[in-house]
Amino acid sequence: EPEVTQTPSHQVTQMGQEVILRCVPISNHLYFYWYRQILGQKVEFLVSFYNNEISEKSEIFDDQFSVERPDGSNFTLKIRSTKLEDSAMYFCASSGGSSYNSPLHFGNGTRLTVT
Amino acid sequence: QQQVKQSPQSLIVQKGGISIINCAYENTAFDYFPWYQQFPGKGPALLIAIRPDVSEKKEGRFTISFNKSAKQFSLHIMDSQPGDSATYFCAALNFGNEKLTFGTGTRLTIIP
Repeated sequence: EPEVTQTPSHQVTQMGQEVILRCVPISNHLYFYWYRQILGQKVEFLVSFYNNEISEKSEIFDDQFSVERPDGSNFTLKIRSTKLEDSAMYFCASSGGSSYNSPLHFGNGTRLTVT
Repeated sequence: QQQVKQSPQSLIVQKGGISIINCAYENTAFDYFPWYQQFPGKGPALLIAIRPDVSEKKEGRFTISFNKSAKQFSLHIMDSQPGDSATYFCAALNFGNEKLTFGTGTRLTIIP
């Protein structure tokens, strides 16, 4: 069964550094998402991406965050200047249609630790 | 108003028993309610989902009950098995929106 793959599985970075989290969505999917989960807390929506542009973003997704689909297969989340509170598990997801009509398929996540 | 409240936070059920997890929402615009299952080290995976035009949906041992007037919905796992031990999240979405709002999660443990 096709799956969403995320790399790296764990990333440690120093406060103020830039990080790029990478995702390869399922190949025929059209909608792409980033969610995050702070340890022991609920999963929170960050951003959705469709037709090469952001379709929706949360209040968490401020100017420090950006997303890109640089080619036909990868989907990246960049955090420009990491803060301690950015430490979380970041999940990429993709779906064949909008969230309302198609199930989201999540990757296994990247654990980001900011020191 | 965008919150989804989930209870209990953790639940221990004997093998063969019924596991029940409850969620409540405030935003009456929500009209799609999925449940996700998450195993340690994995991302959430869609388990079952319901829209408010029905009061119940069953898939195998998993049933969602939906009460639109009370703005509540629940997941029932019949004949619970040790392999069901995981964290369960309810979620909600409204049409035209891409943002899934998740509940706080329930860690379910099925004991032999």
